[in-house]
Amino acid sequence: DVKVTQSSRYLVKRTGEKVFLECVQDMDHENMFWYRQDPGLGLRLIYFSYDVKMKEKGDIPEGYSVSREKKERFSLILESASTNQTSMYLCASSPAGMDTQYFGPGTRLTVL
Amino acid sequence: QKEVEQDPGPLSVPEGAIVSLNCTYSNSAFQYFMWYRQYSRKGPELLMYTYSSGNKEDGRFTAQVDKSSKYISLFIRDSQPSDSATYLCAMFTQGGSEKLVFGKGMKLTVNP
Repeated sequence: DVKVTQSSRYLVKRTGEKVFLECVQDMDHENMFWYRQDPGLGLRLIYFSYDVKMKEKGDIPEGYSVSREKKERFSLILESASTNQTSMYLCASSPAGMDTQYFGPGTRLTVL
Repeated sequence: QKEVEQDPGPLSVPEGAIVSLNCTYSNSAFQYFMWYRQYSRKGPELLMYTYSSGNKEDGRFTAQVDKSSKYISLFIRDSQPSDSATYLCAMFTQGGSEKLVFGKGMKLTVNP
């Protein structure tokens, strides 16, 4: 059974803080993704990674960076959190080929 | 034209009704078609996926793909209150230029 876990379910941060969101998958998947989900906008891809130390920008990378030092772990970093980054953040992983993605439970981030 | 269009609803039906959820798409390169279910405050979970045209059945759920019309559907028979969730369609290409695109999601409520 595929398991994708995210470090926090709920997070509250202040404007300007550096925020780390961590994601871990236990299925040896090559690909990992970070999305944010906002009402009326659906799921939007922030960054994805298809291998260790590799990353590609998604649709909305501005204000975010990522790190993938190990295959099982993909971190999303908000260098200086802003209120418009208040959102639900979802991590996903998939095997090479990307035919299906498996999602973590999500982190609901509020930036005050 | 957006690559994937999904009516955001919301849709409210009585318990026991047959529910039909639909997405249209414009990119004929899509090969994999998926439906995700997302409960409130949770991450999306993969419900069903199909490759190319045809039908796939799993219990009360049937996924249907019509590539000639660029139209996919998810049918839920004998709908239950526990089916109340947001349903997202997703489509994926493979081979050269992988792309995964989600619909915006349709919120379904099944009333007891």
